This record gives sequence, C-alpha cells and structure tokens, in this order.
Amino acid sequence: AQSVTQPDIHITVSEGASLELRCNYSYGATPYLFWYVQSPGQGLQLLLKYFSGDTLVQGIKGFEAEFKRSQSSFNLRKPSVHWSDAAEYFCAVGVSGSARQLTFGSGTQLTVLP
Amino acid sequence: DTAVSQTPKYLVTQMGNDKSIKCEQNLGHDTMYWYKQDSKKFLKIMFSYNNKELIINETVPNRFSPKSPDKAHLNLHINSLELGDSAVYFCASSLPSGGYEQFFGPGTRLTVL
Repeated sequence: AQSVTQPDIHITVSEGASLELRCNYSYGATPYLFWYVQSPGQGLQLLLKYFSGDTLVQGIKGFEAEFKRSQSSFNLRKPSVHWSDAAEYFCAVGVSGSARQLTFGSGTQLTVLP
Repeated sequence: DTAVSQTPKYLVTQMGNDKSIKCEQNLGHDTMYWYKQDSKKFLKIMFSYNNKELIINETVPNRFSPKSPDKAHLNLHINSLELGDSAVYFCASSLPSGGYEQFFGPGTRLTVL
C-alpha cells in the first residue's frame, strides 16, 4: 500500500528566508504527487503537482518541488518566504485506478517569523 | 464562483442526534469524495463516488452514509452522533481524466457535545 511521510511536524522560518519542506513516499509504480496548502479555517488548495516529465515543477505562489525517484522524495521549496505563507502543508500521492484515491502525509505546520 | 461548496460550515449538535452535511461542485467533475480531518490535522478518505456509484468505502462506521443524488452532489448523513465524530469534514471532487488532483471544499467543522 502507498504511504507518504512528512518528517517535519513543525518548521519555523524568518520572513525572507528560504524554505524546504520534506516529503517521502512509498508506492510501487510511478506516482502522481501533489502539494496542498491549508490556511487556518480553510480548505485545501493545490500548490503544484507532478505527473510525468520534467522533475522540477513550478506551482502557484512562487513554490516549486523536485521529484527524485532515487530518493522517493518530492520536496517543496520556496526561495523567499512571505508572512502569508504561514499554513499547514500536505504532501499527497495519487493511487492508480478508477478510484483516483489520494493518500496524504501528516502535514507540516509552517510558522513565519517577522 | 464557488467550485466546491459545503453546508453548513459549522455544526454543533448533541450526542445521539442525526445530521447531514451537503456538498455541491460546479466543475463538471465525475468523482466526489469525503475526507475526515482529525484534531491532529490528519486527513483520511472516507468515501469516493464516481458517477453516483460508490467506489471507495474505507473502514468507516455504518452510521455514516453517503448519498449522491446526481454527479454534482454528494451528501454525508451521520446517524447517532458520537463524541469521536467531532472533526472537520471535507468534500472534494476530481476530473475524469488528466490526473488525480482533487479540488476541496472549505470544510464543515462538526462538534458533538
């Protein structure tokens, strides 16, 4: 069965600093990978996705992620964090089949210091 | 225009009551989902419906019953509510092809007293 691990429960960075959120997955085939962001009291918004092709994918709000098959990772990065980026971030892997099920990681809470 | 909407946003009720949460999507998607997010923010799939047909039914108490009157709607009915049902429930939908990305509603925070 597929699984997703986000090793960092909570990360704190200063505004303007760079950010990297880690995500490791376990899945037998080529995965569909996603990063979602959840602001307080809100639903989940898709930041970016990887299906195939270029392993470096660009998303909204200045985020990017790199798929590394050899490391089973899909880490999220941003060169300069803004205070509005403070939120919960979820990595997810898509499972093939008609169900199109997503399995989510446990999330990483990002705090941004002024 | 709201893509995936849920009502109500907040629901406070007593143990033992029966309640429903409604979900509607105007994206033309054919698959809809219900997720439960617990107090530790962990998201777990509960149900998935494709063209009004149940596809996924994870280990969920049978007090929870999804109902899909048409492709644009997926409601969640909960009987005999328990304290442990308190959580945020998210509805989502996805395209029939082109990948697995899901679009989420704003969530319904259910509090059982």
